[in-house]
Amino acid sequence: DTAVSQTPKYLVTQMGNDKSIKCEQNLGHDTMYWYKQDSKKFLKIMFSYNNKELIINETVPNRFSPKSPDKAHLNLHINSLELGDSAVYFCASSQVSGPYETQYFGPGTRLLVL
Amino acid sequence: QKEVEQDPGPLSVPEGAIVSLNCTYSNSAFQYFMWYRQYSRKGPELLMYTYSSGNKEDGRFTAQVDKSSKYISLFIRDSQPSDSATYLCAMTASGGKLIFGTGTLLAVQP
Repeated sequence: DTAVSQTPKYLVTQMGNDKSIKCEQNLGHDTMYWYKQDSKKFLKIMFSYNNKELIINETVPNRFSPKSPDKAHLNLHINSLELGDSAVYFCASSQVSGPYETQYFGPGTRLLVL
Repeated sequence: QKEVEQDPGPLSVPEGAIVSLNCTYSNSAFQYFMWYRQYSRKGPELLMYTYSSGNKEDGRFTAQVDKSSKYISLFIRDSQPSDSATYLCAMTASGGKLIFGTGTLLAVQP
């Protein structure tokens, strides 16, 4: 009965590889987000989708491409991984396209690029 | 200068102490203020949410907002070891994206 789930939980890979992280929410929310949390715990939004449409696209390298096949899923594909991509990536969802509504976070995907 | 500044800590207190966590911000457009709690190796979870200046109380937790000083605080009374976590302040303007502070790591010693 997990509200927001992410797979995988841990991802260790080599520089230059391509990897994907998947996110699913069963809360019936319209909006989903991807955040990056660095080693100093700084949490920063990367993307936001509302009903499968991209509404927030922060200054993120083109190597990062989100995809929303339906409003319950938001995946993140990363091409040509770099050392600086190592971080924890959190998926979140909320009911309306407004951050002042409660955002529910997934457990995070810990990515380590070697 | 970051839009939201938060003392990173770490903060270590004995059980039963009163804890004060603080954030300052520079964007006067921010209207909604939140505190999230993040346990180790977990995602953040919303703890408190306030809209206007003043105090809001929920059990042992009190959120305080001073818009004139661009300063928000979270007070924890009778702190418990289970309160040990990273506390993140977050804020947003109307309909805008959520901006987080860097988080304060709190350890409550039994």
